[in-house]
Amino acid sequence: DSGVTQTPKHLITATGQRVTLRCSPRSGDLSVYWYQQSLDQGLQFLIQYYNGEERAKGNILERFSAQQFPDLHSELNLSSLELGDSALYFCASSVEAGANVLTFGAGSRLTVL
Amino acid sequence: AQSVTQPDIHITVSEGASLELRCNYSYGATPYLFWYVQSPGQGLQLLLKYFSGDTLVQGIKGFEAEFKRSQSSFNLRKPSVHWSDAAEYFCAVQDSGAGSYQLTFGKGTKLSVIP
Repeated sequence: DSGVTQTPKHLITATGQRVTLRCSPRSGDLSVYWYQQSLDQGLQFLIQYYNGEERAKGNILERFSAQQFPDLHSELNLSSLELGDSALYFCASSVEAGANVLTFGAGSRLTVL
Repeated sequence: AQSVTQPDIHITVSEGASLELRCNYSYGATPYLFWYVQSPGQGLQLLLKYFSGDTLVQGIKGFEAEFKRSQSSFNLRKPSVHWSDAAEYFCAVQDSGAGSYQLTFGKGTKLSVIP
């Protein structure tokens, strides 16, 4: 157990729907990162939050959004889902001080039918 | 922008044989480098990291990696592979600019182990 908790583990939904993925970081970690893993694109950085504020943005679609709450958990919202959004979504957390190690959760597998 | 290349998509080795997984990076400054392993259906587990100092770094599960600045490489090695090492391995470089420590990953190398 890495200490980073992601729910749900698996999610099956239809095109056009909206889903929310949840991430609880390791105790003491202030930063949360979201990554998407797909067969064709590999691991792609989506977005990072630090202590409730957006810190960096990667290849995140406009249909996707995220936030980090005061208790530091984070949610990734995916809307108007398309078949191509089927992927494994990882959350990682870090202390964000000096040389920095990201600890990953087990991921949420999204299937869009 | 930084990038990572793992030239081998799939490698098959016999149990007990030695292993080397290649990784080349492109980054303007001194890189922070990582190797992660992903077993089927699992998340990413950190094997080892390089921040500075000794260019040969030791990790978990008997893995080591060597940073070679002149070759922009950070290859992962293990002297004797075990069947449980079958997994996918990802090399990553860390961007410490603009206050974000996001990782840029290579495409991964899938390792199969023959008993």
